[in-house]
Amino acid sequence: DGGITQSPKYLFRKEGQNVTLSCEQNLNHDAMYWYRQDPGQGLRLIYYSQIVNDFQKGDIAEGYSVSREKKESFPLTVTSAQKNPTAFYLCASGQGGAYGYTFGSGTRLTVV
Amino acid sequence: GQQLNQSPQSMFIQEGEDVSMNCTSSSIFNTWLWYKQDPGEGPVLLIALYKAGELTSNGRLTAQFGITRKDSFLNISASIPSDVGIYFCAGQKTSGSRLTFGEGTQLTVNP
Repeated sequence: DGGITQSPKYLFRKEGQNVTLSCEQNLNHDAMYWYRQDPGQGLRLIYYSQIVNDFQKGDIAEGYSVSREKKESFPLTVTSAQKNPTAFYLCASGQGGAYGYTFGSGTRLTVV
Repeated sequence: GQQLNQSPQSMFIQEGEDVSMNCTSSSIFNTWLWYKQDPGEGPVLLIALYKAGELTSNGRLTAQFGITRKDSFLNISASIPSDVGIYFCAGQKTSGSRLTFGEGTQLTVNP
């Protein structure tokens, strides 16, 4: 079955360490997105990529980095520069047109 | 970035009650989408609307695309405990453009 996979589901890191969240899709979608969700809040766009080897900053890109070397993969690195990294991170992909996005099941990152 | 105005922010209802929520914008959108997010999971698409005035149902869910193209409504009839979650609206201005999301409606259903 086609889908979008985020791993791991739960991640714990010490303050000051970089951490990379994985996102893989086998839907053949061109576009991929990373969102951050804090308790009781909506979805805030971190980075997005509409094509391989290209990506753009979203609304809250500071302290994050991404790469898009393959169509299927869009990893997100939360760097030590991100002041408040503890959050629920969602990856999504889209095929263009008017079909919306398919979301992964999320990674809950806790920094202690 | 721009957000859609989604209301209410939260709802606490009894099982069996009907629910209504809506999303408004100052801009026109050509596609409206409604997602549901179960606790600890990613959002899942419930209904997509493509035409002003369109009314679309999916089981107990009914959504409408406002005739001004600046709003959309979602109704849930005869709520059940598994309806619990966060409901998001999303608008798309043109085909292929990025989605703009509402801030979500947190629904709690008491058995």
